[in-house]
Amino acid sequence: DAKTTQPNSMESNEEEPVHLPCNHSTISGTDYIHWYRQLPSQGPEYVIHGLTSNVNNRMASLAIAEDRKSSTLILHRATLRDAAVYYCILRSNRGGTNAGGTSYGKLTFGQGTILTVHP
Amino acid sequence: NAGVMQNPRHLVRRRGQEARLRCSPMKGHSHVYWYRQLPEEGLKFMVYLQKENIIDESGMPKERFSAEFPKEGPSILRIQQVVRGDSAAYFCASSRGPGYGYTFGSGTRLTVV
Repeated sequence: DAKTTQPNSMESNEEEPVHLPCNHSTISGTDYIHWYRQLPSQGPEYVIHGLTSNVNNRMASLAIAEDRKSSTLILHRATLRDAAVYYCILRSNRGGTNAGGTSYGKLTFGQGTILTVHP
Repeated sequence: NAGVMQNPRHLVRRRGQEARLRCSPMKGHSHVYWYRQLPEEGLKFMVYLQKENIIDESGMPKERFSAEFPKEGPSILRIQQVVRGDSAAYFCASSRGPGYGYTFGSGTRLTVV
C-alpha cells in the first residue's frame, strides 16, 4: 500500500479554518485520496475523496497538488464537533487481489492527525 | 435508510468463551470489511468479504478468528476461546464495491475478563 504522512496533531480555534496536510509522494495513477475521520468512541466517517481535481462537499474541501504528491483537507469553519482523528488514505480503485491474496481496494488506516478545537 | 448496524454494542466475555459479533451492511451493499482497534491504537484491517466469499483475510489472526457473510443474514465475526488481548473495538464497514466509499458501523466493544 502506498503510504501517507500526516502530522501527529494539530490545534485550531472554533470558527477558524483548518488546513490538514497529507504527503503521499509514492502515489500511483490508480490511487484515489480519501479522507475519513473518527470522533471519540465512534466508527470512522467518510469525509471526502478525490483523484486529481480539487473537490468540495458540505463537510470539507480537498485541495490536491498538481503532482498529486500531497493534499490538504480544509475545514472552512471548525466547530467543537470537528474534534477527531483525521485519516488521509490512498485507495486504489482496482478490484480483485494480488498474488498474495491482499485486495487492492481496501482502506488501510495510518495513525492520522488528532485535531483539537478550542472554544 | 439505516446505516451499518452492529450488535451488540458492548460484549463481555470470560477468558475461553466464544464471542460472536454481527454486522448488517447498508441496503444495497454487498461488500463487508472488518477492522479491529486496540486501546490507544489505530484501526487494523482484518477481513474483506463479499456475499458467501472471503476476498481478503490477510489481516486475520491465524487461529481462533473466523468470519462469514452468508447469502442471507448479517456478517459474523467469531472469536473462539477469547483471551484478554482480544479486548478491543471491532468495526464493520460496508460498501457497494471497490471503487466506492465505506460506511462504518458504531462498533462492538469486546471486553474479556
